[in-house]
Amino acid sequence: DAGVTQSPTHLIKTRGQHVTLRCSPISGHKSVSWYQQVLGQGPQFIFQYYEKEERGRGNFPDRFSARQFPNYSSELNVNALLLGDSALYLCASSSTGTGVYTFGSGTRLTVV
Amino acid sequence: GQNIDQPTEMTATEGAIVQINCTYQTSGFNGLFWYQQHAGEAPTFLSYNVLDGLEEKGRFSSFLSRSKGYSYLLLKELQMKDSASYLCAVDFNDYKLSFGAGTTVTVRA
Repeated sequence: DAGVTQSPTHLIKTRGQHVTLRCSPISGHKSVSWYQQVLGQGPQFIFQYYEKEERGRGNFPDRFSARQFPNYSSELNVNALLLGDSALYLCASSSTGTGVYTFGSGTRLTVV
Repeated sequence: GQNIDQPTEMTATEGAIVQINCTYQTSGFNGLFWYQQHAGEAPTFLSYNVLDGLEEKGRFSSFLSRSKGYSYLLLKELQMKDSASYLCAVDFNDYKLSFGAGTTVTVRA
């Protein structure tokens, strides 16, 4: 079985631009969570979706949004990019939104 | 807050044992995870503790005391490939994992 897949793996954007990151969960997993990891820190929670509904939102500005599709894949959108948005964006899936979370390889976003 | 504290760095010799401690607030606790993360890569799952006690899995063991808000990850027979960041993460029953900043373990020959 394929694990959690994320695309793209690397991305360079300019300040003010918009970015869309994609995630496909493990087959059978209905929950997807997004995390931001800045260098030298632990991952910070952004969103969790379960059965296409938002279950939780972290302390991030409204420039960050996400959605989950009927096939349980998910997109994270970030508008009006700032230099401080440069980070590794991680997607994690779980069967129910609790229990063991499996992480994807991440998308490395660099904002210049 | 939900402060999760773990040491920043630890260094040990190949073949030795290292113990990484993690403390957290006890209210709302639902479970504790340990993840390993190599530089530039995604976290990989190591262990999940819900009940008090020691869980052993090969060279890695994890301990939990819910009343004390305390866990540790024990790495035995250290190998060079164990050089990585080790993340303690807590499920406070709020649909997310709250992570510590990570402990960077350096294994020396």
